[in-house]
Amino acid sequence: DQQVKQNSPSLSVQEGRISILNCDYTNSMFDYFLWYKKYPAEGPTFLISISSIKDKNEDGRFTVFLNKSAKHLSLHIVPSQPGDSAVYFCAASRNTGTASKLTFGTGTRLQVTL
Amino acid sequence: GAVVSQHPSWVICKSGTSVKIECRSLDFQATTMFWYRQFPKQSLMLMATSNEGSKATYEQGVEKDKFLINHASLTLSTLTVTSAHPEDSSFYICSAGRPGTRWQFFGPGTRLTVL
Repeated sequence: DQQVKQNSPSLSVQEGRISILNCDYTNSMFDYFLWYKKYPAEGPTFLISISSIKDKNEDGRFTVFLNKSAKHLSLHIVPSQPGDSAVYFCAASRNTGTASKLTFGTGTRLQVTL
Repeated sequence: GAVVSQHPSWVICKSGTSVKIECRSLDFQATTMFWYRQFPKQSLMLMATSNEGSKATYEQGVEKDKFLINHASLTLSTLTVTSAHPEDSSFYICSAGRPGTRWQFFGPGTRLTVL
């Protein structure tokens, strides 16, 4: 049972345009969401997170939007740069009072073209 | 972001041998560390949660006698793959939970190949 899903396995965007990566979840107990960027044969790099009490969080070129009623979140990257080309994973966690285990989506490969 | 190291970065071993992978949190003390496995073109799957000073909590389907986890200090967790077989070949990644936050910072991963 895939509790966190990224339905687009790949996305191609031109440099300078907006990249929108989507993520859906099924478990209503998830209350914290994170986005990670990953290159092959490397560990994921934390990008941005959002708590379920918010619907938007922004950090530089990265903005995450959360729609709790739809159980959907998205990561916007604007403007997209060639260095953004990587696999992006969304992850979700439940509040267990301590560092919580993450459930990862299946990933979306972003290709930013010149 | 925080720095988490893993050693070795890659290892090749013969079937039946044991391999130890170290995960260190270099700039904060992590009471909780996590071990993940990633097969090619798939997502990261949590194997176990490692708590300093206590036994690890394993996810369903993960053999605790095969994947031994030790979290002896606040900055070091080790994963030992015992009696490794070719099907254990994978990319193993650890993470450290930053205290007071819901964030996890990941190590660079270890590529294990069992011949």
